[in-house]
Amino acid sequence: EPEVTQTPSHQVTQMGQEVILRCVPISNHLYFYWYRQILGQKVEFLVSFYNNEISEKSEIFDDQFSVERPDGSNFTLKIRSTKLEDSAMYFCASSPDTRNEQFFGPGTRLTVL
Amino acid sequence: AQKITQTQPGMFVQEKEAVTLDCTYDTSDQSYGLFWYKQPSSGEMIFLIYQGSYDEQNATEGRYSLNFQKARKSANLVISASQLGDSAMYFCAMREPFWRSGNTGKLIFGQGTTLQVKP
Repeated sequence: EPEVTQTPSHQVTQMGQEVILRCVPISNHLYFYWYRQILGQKVEFLVSFYNNEISEKSEIFDDQFSVERPDGSNFTLKIRSTKLEDSAMYFCASSPDTRNEQFFGPGTRLTVL
Repeated sequence: AQKITQTQPGMFVQEKEAVTLDCTYDTSDQSYGLFWYKQPSSGEMIFLIYQGSYDEQNATEGRYSLNFQKARKSANLVISASQLGDSAMYFCAMREPFWRSGNTGKLIFGQGTTLQVKP
């Protein structure tokens, strides 16, 4: 069964460093999302991506964040200069359209020291 | 603005019994989708069940059913015959109408309910 994959599973970085979180969505899906979950809290929407551009972003998704689909398979989230409060689990999700369920990847746990 | 509320931070249930996890939502839209996801301690998000606002029947998937009461704006998850493997965090989520201009299908999540199944 096709699944969303994410790498790395855990990333530890120093404050101020750049990180790139990688995702491979399900191949025939068209809509891609990043969500964030701070430990013990709810899952929060960051950004949605369709047709090679951002379709919506939340107030969390400031200038330090960017997303890219550099080729036909990968979908990346870059945090330019990490802060302590960026420590969270980051989930990538994909969906064939905006009606059906979103399939989530296993997440990347980001720890900023 | 849309909002999802899960008022039970934690629940306990005896193995083999049924349990209901509450979810209420707030929206002015007539068309929307409601989802439940399970998050075990390993952290992944597992899709459980979906209910469309115009679906006349309550959704069911195996041991999971959704008690959808549109007038009350509630979408409670019922797990029948609980198993130890059901111990996890459960999230209710809403998706805005797909037909709305600029709709991106993003999900808005509730705070989650931690379910512990006792042997």
